[in-house]
Amino acid sequence: GNSVTQMEGPVTLSEEAFLTINCTYTATGYPSLFWYVQYPGEGLQLLLKATKADDKGSNKGFEATYRKETTSFHLEKGSVQVSDSAVYFCALSERAGGTSYGKLTFGQGTILTVHP
Amino acid sequence: DGGITQSPKYLFRKEGQNVTLSCEQNLNHDAMYWYRQDPGQGLRLIYYSQIVNDFQKGDIAEGYSVSREKKESFPLTVTSAQKNPTAFYLCASSPTGAPHYGYTFGSGTRLTVV
Repeated sequence: GNSVTQMEGPVTLSEEAFLTINCTYTATGYPSLFWYVQYPGEGLQLLLKATKADDKGSNKGFEATYRKETTSFHLEKGSVQVSDSAVYFCALSERAGGTSYGKLTFGQGTILTVHP
Repeated sequence: DGGITQSPKYLFRKEGQNVTLSCEQNLNHDAMYWYRQDPGQGLRLIYYSQIVNDFQKGDIAEGYSVSREKKESFPLTVTSAQKNPTAFYLCASSPTGAPHYGYTFGSGTRLTVV
């Protein structure tokens, strides 16, 4: 079945540091890939997505590139801010024809804390 | 603005009591989902529905029930059979047949057993 594996957290950084959160996946075919962010006490918000190999999703300074050859979708940001402190979830959605079509499979989430 | 509304934001349940969590969307999405989130853990799928009057069990359906009588609404009942219901519950929706779309989430309901 489909699965998503994220790097172990929590991740603690100083403001303006470089961020990488690793995400690898296992899926049949060519899934769509997503990063969601969850701020304390809130629901999840879509941060960025990529729907085919070599696509780069980007939003609010965050980027992730769909790497089919390494089955990865790592999240990066060049300079984090205190306001980026949140939980980040990687997820995939299987394309038409799969048994899990339409459902998202989530990673376990990575807690990010940014200090001033 | 379109979105998903979950209510209440906080809910307290006594032992042996059933409670119902509300989820309403005005996005015209066909599919709706319920997830449970425990501290330090990821999301676990409880139930999902891809069309009105139809729903399927997710990974942890025991002790929960749902209905889908209207496209806009997908309420979740936490029954007394659910032995450890304290958690954060998230509702989501998506267009059916659009795997590149992802989900839109509500803001969640925090349920506590007292």
